[in-house]
Amino acid sequence: EIVLTQSPGTLSLSPGERATLSCRASQSVSSSYLAWYQQKPGQAPRLLIYGASSRATGIPDRFSGSGSGTDFTLTISRLEPEDFAVYYCQQYGSSPSTFGQGTKLEIK
Amino acid sequence: EVQLVESGGGLVQPGRSLRLSCAASGFTFDDYAMHWVRQAPGKGLEWVSGISWNSGSIGYADSVKGRFTISRDNAKNSLYLQMNSLRAEDTALYYCAKAAAGQVNLFDYWGQGTLVTVSS
Repeated sequence: EIVLTQSPGTLSLSPGERATLSCRASQSVSSSYLAWYQQKPGQAPRLLIYGASSRATGIPDRFSGSGSGTDFTLTISRLEPEDFAVYYCQQYGSSPSTFGQGTKLEIK
Repeated sequence: EVQLVESGGGLVQPGRSLRLSCAASGFTFDDYAMHWVRQAPGKGLEWVSGISWNSGSIGYADSVKGRFTISRDNAKNSLYLQMNSLRAEDTALYYCAKAAAGQVNLFDYWGQGTLVTVSS
């Protein structure tokens, strides 16, 4: 199975700053079938990005995804207070689908 | 509005069984694959099992294969997970998730989860 490794484990930033989260796969992710989810405490995950770079319905354009092959990035251009959460990447091109261990984005 | 409501969780002893249910509404249930994803306390997400729209294709994580059975009833807009021979490591919040259109393993809507605690 494909192992996804996210870095950093925790990212401490201030509102208004730019956040860059990384997801590295143990082997190439087919057709860029890479997604990003946001999870806030006590809530279910929410789909943000799919196909490595396409925003899901209703997701603000400050969220963007990029990458291909084994290296992917989620960028939040200007952090809003509601963006502080845990972010997970997921590959859905190979079975079984797998998730990264998560990056916690916390307020500095 | 898509709604997924899980039920059936609780405290159960090791080796016993539990059946989870997920009631779906707000979309044409039999058009989409469905999944169970779990999250152990304070941990990350783990895909557990998935089922195609017509139950013709089913998959399980190695960690639950042979112990868990996924099923669906399209007439009742419901998804199920029969969990047998439960272990302490099965303790988690179990989410029901809807597959996105055209991408059977991409999860575009999630329920709020039902908590399963396996302990003596």
